[in-house]
Amino acid sequence: QVHLVESGGGVVQPGGSLRLSCAASGFNFGIYGMHWVRQAPGKGLEWVAFIRSDGSTEDYADSVKGRFTISRDNSKDMLYLQMHRLRPEDTATYYCAKSWERWLDRFDHWGQGNLVTVSS
Amino acid sequence: QVVLTQSPSASASLGASVKLSCSLSSGYETYAIAWHQQRPGKGPRYLMKVNGDGSLVKGGGIPDRFSGSSSGAERFLTISSLQSEDEADYYCQTWGTRIRVVFGGGTKLTVL
Repeated sequence: QVHLVESGGGVVQPGGSLRLSCAASGFNFGIYGMHWVRQAPGKGLEWVAFIRSDGSTEDYADSVKGRFTISRDNSKDMLYLQMHRLRPEDTATYYCAKSWERWLDRFDHWGQGNLVTVSS
Repeated sequence: QVVLTQSPSASASLGASVKLSCSLSSGYETYAIAWHQQRPGKGPRYLMKVNGDGSLVKGGGIPDRFSGSSSGAERFLTISSLQSEDEADYYCQTWGTRIRVVFGGGTKLTVL
């Protein structure tokens, strides 16, 4: 059974940094692409970033490009999102999600989410 | 850039059926979409992929009460025999190398 568990969220001041982690289990992590998706309080879903199964390709939403970095460690079945220069509008619940394929595709499993609050 | 349009809200009675729609913007009418369900306070759950020809790929454990269909630029999610647990937000999603990942605004379904 696929299981995705996010951690690392919390309260951070504007301009600060934070690293989210996603622990994956129940599937062959190294052969699937992975995504980060966020949801601001009371709002809809917003795609944030994608990384290919082997880590060779990354892609980002324009709203986070240059500030966020997605990475993975296939030896540990872990996905990460390093966030720098955080803004109040980055406040959201962040979800990791498994891609259907090695490459960018629909999500077929989601984590339970982790809240990031950017506030002074 | 592709836009997915969903009605903000829908409602139907317990035991009835409801059909939710997701409209693809011009130029993207052949794209497949995926439906996701998000119950209050929970993370989303993948329901199914709906292709332009109406064929489906459902997620594991999704009840037969959930089905999908397609007509032109519209993609539909039909839920029959509505149960209280179906009260949730429903999002459509599309993807591609050119467009990356795009979500619709979501439909809040109320079961009366």
